[in-house]
Amino acid sequence: DTAVSQTPKYLVTQMGNDKSIKCEQNLGHDTMYWYKQDSKKFLKIMFSYNNKELIINETVPNRFSPKSPDKAHLNLHINSLELGDSAVYFCASRSLGDEQFFGPGTRLTVL
Amino acid sequence: TQLLEQSPQFLSIQEGENLTVYCNSSSVFSSLQWYRQEPGEGPVLLVTVVTGGEVKKLKRLTFQFGDARKDSSLHITAAQPGDTGLYLCAGARLTSGTYKYIFGTGTRLKVLA
Repeated sequence: DTAVSQTPKYLVTQMGNDKSIKCEQNLGHDTMYWYKQDSKKFLKIMFSYNNKELIINETVPNRFSPKSPDKAHLNLHINSLELGDSAVYFCASRSLGDEQFFGPGTRLTVL
Repeated sequence: TQLLEQSPQFLSIQEGENLTVYCNSSSVFSSLQWYRQEPGEGPVLLVTVVTGGEVKKLKRLTFQFGDARKDSSLHITAAQPGDTGLYLCAGARLTSGTYKYIFGTGTRLKVLA
């Protein structure tokens, strides 16, 4: 049973479209994150939620809107997609013991 | 702004050799983590070091946190092809009551059989 799952695994779309990525964790953790990994493999934090509340917003364009319907889910909606949004997006959850568990990633390609 | 620099950026070695990867910063962190990431997958946590000067061993991997909690190293003894992957360090900072992780620039390791 997968600890942190993301859908879809791959997403190919046209510039200007709106898309969503879903994340679910079955670990019972309170804290979840979204990260963006660029083509050079640099991993950068975007958002952090704790028990459905937004805690960290790393100056991400407001075209990116995270939503946490409950503490097991953290979704990411992106409006008006741009070429520069192409990357791999990772969801992660964190235990009280400071262990982060990452999902398998969603590779977004904007054409 | 790049806060955690890793070196080397790329490393290709023969099976059985030893290697060290460095993770350096001018900032202090609450803790420092090391991850390994394989193609098409998410990073997997290897270890967390918390105390300045701390050394942790995981089989053939030895991790050290600098005395000032600004830098860390990962030493692999007798590398094996299964060690191939992208190694990432990440420093943790307490921000607004939760931990924010700053990831390093990454070290791509290839171990040849």
